[in-house]
Amino acid sequence: QKEVEQNSGPLSVPEGAIASLNCTYSDRGSQSFFWYRQYSGKSPELIMSIYSNGDKEDGRFTAQLNKASQYVSLLIRDSQPSDSATYLCAVIRTGGGNKLVFGAGTILRVKS
Amino acid sequence: DAMVIQNPRYQVTQFGKPVTLSCSQTLNHNVMYWYQQKSSQAPKLLFHYYDKDFNNEADTPDNFQSRRPNTSFCFLDIRSPGLGDAAMYLCATSRDQGASLIYEQYFGPGTRLTVT
Repeated sequence: QKEVEQNSGPLSVPEGAIASLNCTYSDRGSQSFFWYRQYSGKSPELIMSIYSNGDKEDGRFTAQLNKASQYVSLLIRDSQPSDSATYLCAVIRTGGGNKLVFGAGTILRVKS
Repeated sequence: DAMVIQNPRYQVTQFGKPVTLSCSQTLNHNVMYWYQQKSSQAPKLLFHYYDKDFNNEADTPDNFQSRRPNTSFCFLDIRSPGLGDAAMYLCATSRDQGASLIYEQYFGPGTRLTVT
């Protein structure tokens, strides 16, 4: 079992729709969760961090965390073509310092 | 603006010829990381510095070394690059706040390494 799992996609949504990206993790003790956006040929950009169960909203982005189910999601409202990118879910590995474990990423394509 | 800077952005080296990649940061973060990312793969942690303490990942080849002469700078040395070392190399930083769970990592723009 991979530590962090994501559907590789591509996930295709029409412009203006809600894109829903999902991630599961195996380390039940994990406390810190992140979503990074990565455009092709560029470096990862931190877009959301979440530490408590529930929802966290920032502009068009909402991160959702359910520690009991070991599940993290990212919702993108009013999706734009500029949101087309790979979205990486990352989790801090417990007991190993400040180490991020990344999922393989989900490719999102927003069609105009 | 506070940031993470990597130089060069593109590096071409010959097989077996040593190469050094550099990273600097103005965030005053105490932790610095080096990742390797190959096409369509997740970033892979090579090693990190917690202040001056070096932490190597168990599966990082000996061919990869790192130096951190001060808080702001960190270098990645590849002693004898092979064709398989062609990748994007990413530097990241974070601030360890002790008991805090906030370990947000911020990435530099990366260096694209080509080995010929």
